[in-house]
Amino acid sequence: GENVEQHPSTLSVQEGDSAVIKCTYSDSASNYFPWYKQELGKGPQLIIDIRSNVGEKKDQRIAVTLNKTAKHFSLHITETQPEDSAVYFCAASKDTGRRALTFGSGTRLQVQP
Amino acid sequence: DVKVTQSSRYLVKRTGEKVFLECVQDMDHENMFWYRQDPGLGLRLIYFSYDVKMKEKGDIPEGYSVSREKKERFSLILESASTNQTSMYLCASSTWTSGGGETQYFGPGTRLLVL
Repeated sequence: GENVEQHPSTLSVQEGDSAVIKCTYSDSASNYFPWYKQELGKGPQLIIDIRSNVGEKKDQRIAVTLNKTAKHFSLHITETQPEDSAVYFCAASKDTGRRALTFGSGTRLQVQP
Repeated sequence: DVKVTQSSRYLVKRTGEKVFLECVQDMDHENMFWYRQDPGLGLRLIYFSYDVKMKEKGDIPEGYSVSREKKERFSLILESASTNQTSMYLCASSTWTSGGGETQYFGPGTRLLVL
């Protein structure tokens, strides 16, 4: 089955700096790659996603890039703010067979004011 | 707004007890999922369901069962709770979209402690 590896496990940045979280996946058939943000005491919430026919997608301060050949994708957050502090999860799935998401292990991002 | 609710935020049970975790979604979603979340391990899929009375095993189904008698409700059952089932349990739902890639909507989670 699919295996998704995520790093780093923790990341501390100064407010205004950029943050990058990286994930690799194992199943070349995977074609959907979402990122979820989990704030303290809440369930994860989708913040951005990318499909395998797209190399990059941007939404205001967040962007995701995908390298299908290398089977890795990354989340980029620019101009970080204290409210970006949370746990971030990457995930992967495909549109055939079992369509459930396989999640990475999570990255705890701390933005220092 | 999609709402996924879980019956309890915190639960304390004894080893050997039968435990029911309930999840309800209000968006008429076909798909429902149960995950457990442990530090350093991310979210691991226990069971999922694509339709009423239908269930499929996820990656870690041992020690768990599920029930989906109504479309909006998906229950996770620990037949005989053990201490290694102490964890955060998250329920999610989604609806089919063509081409896959359905957004999952999560509940707030139930933190279960088995003593």
